[in-house]
Amino acid sequence: QQQVKQSPQSLIVQKGGISIINCAYENTAFDYFPWYQQFPGKGPALLIAIRPDVSEKKEGRFTISFNKSAKQFSLHIMDSQPGDSATYFCAALYSGGGADGLTFGKGTHLIIQP
Amino acid sequence: SQTIHQWPATLVQPVGSPLSLECTVEGTSNPNLYWYRQAAGRGLQLLFYSVGIGQISSEVPQNLSASRPQDRQFILSSKKLLLSDSGFYLCAWSGPYRDRCTFGSGTRLTVV
Repeated sequence: QQQVKQSPQSLIVQKGGISIINCAYENTAFDYFPWYQQFPGKGPALLIAIRPDVSEKKEGRFTISFNKSAKQFSLHIMDSQPGDSATYFCAALYSGGGADGLTFGKGTHLIIQP
Repeated sequence: SQTIHQWPATLVQPVGSPLSLECTVEGTSNPNLYWYRQAAGRGLQLLFYSVGIGQISSEVPQNLSASRPQDRQFILSSKKLLLSDSGFYLCAWSGPYRDRCTFGSGTRLTVV
């Protein structure tokens, strides 16, 4: 059972444009939603995260929008740059649960064309 | 500051051979430790997690096992590798609240 569904699988955006990646979750107990950025041959790195008590969080050019009623959250990359080309993963966690780890989406391969 | 070390970076092993991947964390105590496997198009799959020495929980039944002989050491093993064990293996750690999970640089395993 896939608890976090991510789309699109791949995305091509022109330099300076807005990149948008969407995720939907099923488990209403999830209370922490991070996004990870992964470059080829490297481990994923935490980019930005949100908790369901807010609807939006912004850090520089990266923004998470969160819709609790729809059980959806998305990553927006403003003024996308070629250096943003990477694979992005959304994830979810129920922090009050056991000791298990994050549940990840399948990833989005983002290409920013110069 | 905390750092996580994972080695080797790449490994090519024949089918039926054993496997041992090691991960260590520095700068923190009693971390939660995780092993993930990443296959193309399938995202990150949690294999094992550990909340303390000798405490291992398995998420997916498979040909692999994990051990935590020391507080900041996590080992992924196999007695006999299968072709299907090929993939990118990632070690990670987090604090007690399990957010802010930090990944190592990964091991690319190819079973031939």
